[in-house]
Amino acid sequence: GAVVSQHPSRVICKSGTSVKIECRSLDFQATTMFWYRQFPKQSLMLMATSNEGSKATYEQGVEKDKFLINHASLTLSTLTVTSAHPEDSSFYICSARGGSGTPGYTQYFGPGTRLTVL
Amino acid sequence: RKEVEQDPGPFNVPEGATVAFNCTYSNSASQSFFWYRQDCRKEPKLLMSVYSSGNEDGRFTAQLNRASQYISLLIRDSKLSDSATYLCVVNFQAGTALIFGKGTTLSVSS
Repeated sequence: GAVVSQHPSRVICKSGTSVKIECRSLDFQATTMFWYRQFPKQSLMLMATSNEGSKATYEQGVEKDKFLINHASLTLSTLTVTSAHPEDSSFYICSARGGSGTPGYTQYFGPGTRLTVL
Repeated sequence: RKEVEQDPGPFNVPEGATVAFNCTYSNSASQSFFWYRQDCRKEPKLLMSVYSSGNEDGRFTAQLNRASQYISLLIRDSKLSDSATYLCVVNFQAGTALIFGKGTTLSVSS
């Protein structure tokens, strides 16, 4: 099956720093990538939808200037949490989807990145 | 009103028990339905898709009632390894993001 990787798997940083999370589709071209966030005991909440080569579409309540998303290639999307604060501590998960008819048409999830902001 | 609602549990059952999870969704135009499994501190993994005719995969049976906007998952002969959080997931339109319920926690004990 299709594989999606995320890096780093875990990061601890000081308040005010920026953190970049990478999401890669390893064996298919991901035309669309989704970024989710999950707080403890909560459901996965969609943050934004990213299509290769275009600007991401953010969900209501998600600050686009704080959560910068870049989807520059068909296999890589990045989420940068700028000026991170303790309330941004969460589990960030990406999912990737290929085009219709490709093995990746279903959404495949990365293993997640656990961010802790001190 | 939340888009996908589930009973959070926890459901604590002995090995061998049968357990059922329920889920309702608010968008009647939703097209695809799934159950995902999430282990602690891990990403969700697809357990099974849910079809209108109902479908079964080994010990797992999923049902969909579009008229009632209701989805269910039945687990028979529970195993210790079934302990996890089960997420009800709905897709409004192919290619768009999945909408997740909060999850129902299952704990199977010996």
